[in-house]
Amino acid sequence: AQSVAQPEDQVNVAEGNPLTVKCTYSVSGNPYLFWYVQYPNRGLQFLLKYITGDNLVKGSYGFEAEFNKSQTSFHLKKPSALVSDSALYFCAVRDGMGRSYIPTFGRGTSLIVHP
Amino acid sequence: DAGVIQSPRHEVTEMGQEVTLRCKPISGHNSLFWYRQTMMRGLELLIYFNNNVPIDDSGMPEDRFSAKMPNASFSTLKIQPSEPRDSAVYFCASSQMTSGARTDTQYFGPGTRLTVL
Repeated sequence: AQSVAQPEDQVNVAEGNPLTVKCTYSVSGNPYLFWYVQYPNRGLQFLLKYITGDNLVKGSYGFEAEFNKSQTSFHLKKPSALVSDSALYFCAVRDGMGRSYIPTFGRGTSLIVHP
Repeated sequence: DAGVIQSPRHEVTEMGQEVTLRCKPISGHNSLFWYRQTMMRGLELLIYFNNNVPIDDSGMPEDRFSAKMPNASFSTLKIQPSEPRDSAVYFCASSQMTSGARTDTQYFGPGTRLTVL
């Protein structure tokens, strides 16, 4: 079984401040982890993923995420937030050792960056 | 590549009518997903095709929903008869799944906003 939790429905941050969007996961095997972003009236857009290797993954638009196996977390971070980063962010997980190619998505976290 | 293409972008219909949503995946992708997004339930997977074959349809709400993928470049999601509770944004996504599974990033279409009156 695989599951993902995004404990915050909404994150508020001031422009220029660092941001963190939290994600924890549960899988039986090796986790394949993803972050997607959804801007208003648009489809989800891939940001970054962790499959193996370096625990710090860098993605689009200056975002990065850190894989922490002991805490089963994959938090999304950015050093300096922009107003244009305001969007809905989804974490997803798939069991890399599983037979299913279907990822499980979290419920999403709304990021609001204030000017 | 134009990305995943969905049509129509918006659909307003009356309860009881048949609705057909269409999707063209990215060329070369072998997997296709249909999702439904609502405020109450978030993003729900409805059905997953691999190489045009339905692999997992456990998310399809009921018999009123059906999906087909007659070839690698086209899929439809049909609701018959439609009900107000079907109102949602429906997304199609495609990906290239391999046994190595290092490239299974999903690419989403812009969605179809369905309103059933």
